[in-house]
Amino acid sequence: ETGVTQTPRHLVMGMTNKKSLKCEQHLGHNAMYWYKQSAKKPLELMFVYSLEERVENNSVPSRFSPECPNSSHLFLHLHTLQPEDSALYLCASSQAIRTYGSGNTIYFGEGSWLTVV
Amino acid sequence: KQEVTQIPAALSVPEGENLVLNCSFTDSAIYNLQWFRQDPGKGLTSLLLIQSSQREQTSGRLNASLDKSSGRSTLYIAASQPGDSATYLCAALNSGGYQKVTFGIGTKLQVIP
Repeated sequence: ETGVTQTPRHLVMGMTNKKSLKCEQHLGHNAMYWYKQSAKKPLELMFVYSLEERVENNSVPSRFSPECPNSSHLFLHLHTLQPEDSALYLCASSQAIRTYGSGNTIYFGEGSWLTVV
Repeated sequence: KQEVTQIPAALSVPEGENLVLNCSFTDSAIYNLQWFRQDPGKGLTSLLLIQSSQREQTSGRLNASLDKSSGRSTLYIAASQPGDSATYLCAALNSGGYQKVTFGIGTKLQVIP
């Protein structure tokens, strides 16, 4: 149990659909992240939130829309996606966005597998 | 910019063999390094985390070492089993502004019965 829960675990959607990925952390952390893992590529950081405020949008297309209503929940709203957006989407959390002392640890959820058809 | 490289990309060994997976990183100013396991079609499972002040961590048949000065980490798996077959990812945590985790592409391990 990592303390970071993602739903759904698997999602198949058409290019005209609108869906959302949900992430919830039970660790009392203040920072949350979305990562994307595509085939044969390293995980890429997409978005960073600190205390519900977005601090990074890593050149992500607007068809991906994040939402952080509170420090425990993070959503990724998906609309008019392309087949190349099929990937594993990972949510993560940490105590703070800045590392200090011996460093924070980032905890990952198990991911949501997205297939766009 | 941190870059994490894992060699080899794929590895196939007979059951029972001891093996070493390698991870190198370009920026030695890391706070920790983490090893993950990913089974086909599944998410990431954290295996071991080594803080920057530590040299190694052990869990069961797994031992991870860290040498910050040379920018290297290894994951040693003793007495490999078919159930160890998976992709193993290493990830380095840095803080440049705000903390980021940089992943390698992974090593795909197959343990043959």
